[in-house]
Amino acid sequence: GAVVSQHPSRVICKSGTSVKIECRSLDFQATTMFWYRQFPKQSLMLMATSNEGSKATYEQGVEKDKFLINHASLTLSTLTVTSAHPEDSSFYICSAETGGSGANVLTFGAGSRLTVL
Amino acid sequence: QKEVEQNSGPLSVPEGAIASLNCTYSDRGSQSFFWYRQYSGKSPELIMSIYSNGDKEDGRFTAQLNKASQYVSLLIRDSQPSDSATYLCAWRGAGSYQLTFGKGTKLSVIP
Repeated sequence: GAVVSQHPSRVICKSGTSVKIECRSLDFQATTMFWYRQFPKQSLMLMATSNEGSKATYEQGVEKDKFLINHASLTLSTLTVTSAHPEDSSFYICSAETGGSGANVLTFGAGSRLTVL
Repeated sequence: QKEVEQNSGPLSVPEGAIASLNCTYSDRGSQSFFWYRQYSGKSPELIMSIYSNGDKEDGRFTAQLNKASQYVSLLIRDSQPSDSATYLCAWRGAGSYQLTFGKGTKLSVIP
């Protein structure tokens, strides 16, 4: 089946540094990918919708200058957390629609756990 | 505000019993409904999708949708310890790719 690959799975960084997370669709093209964030014991919250070749659409309350999204190809979207702070520590998960036209299935990457010291 | 409500649990059932998970949603325009399973520290994986009123069965899992009452449920028959996880319901409106998730119900199957 379709696979969404996400890297890195875990990252620890110092406060003030930037971290890039990659999300790749394997064996299929994804014009749209979604970035979610999940705090401990909370549900997934949509951060932004990443559109190939155009600007991402951010959800209310998500700072677009802090969470930079680039979707430069049909198989790769990246999320960069800029000037990370401890409150940005979370589980970040990307997803893409799979299953063919009209299947309406979202497949998730394995997630990236970010810890900011 | 469009919301999905789930009982956070935890829900404990003995091995072999039926686990019943429920979810209510507020948006009558919702078209597609999904149940995801999430193990601790892992990303969600799709269990079932349901689009029409009624029941949909897949192995030990049965999803039930009642659009008039705005609820969707998941039944797990012959529950196994490996079913212990958090179950997230999600919905999507017509013409939208975005999913809205409930907070999840933590299920514990006791051997």
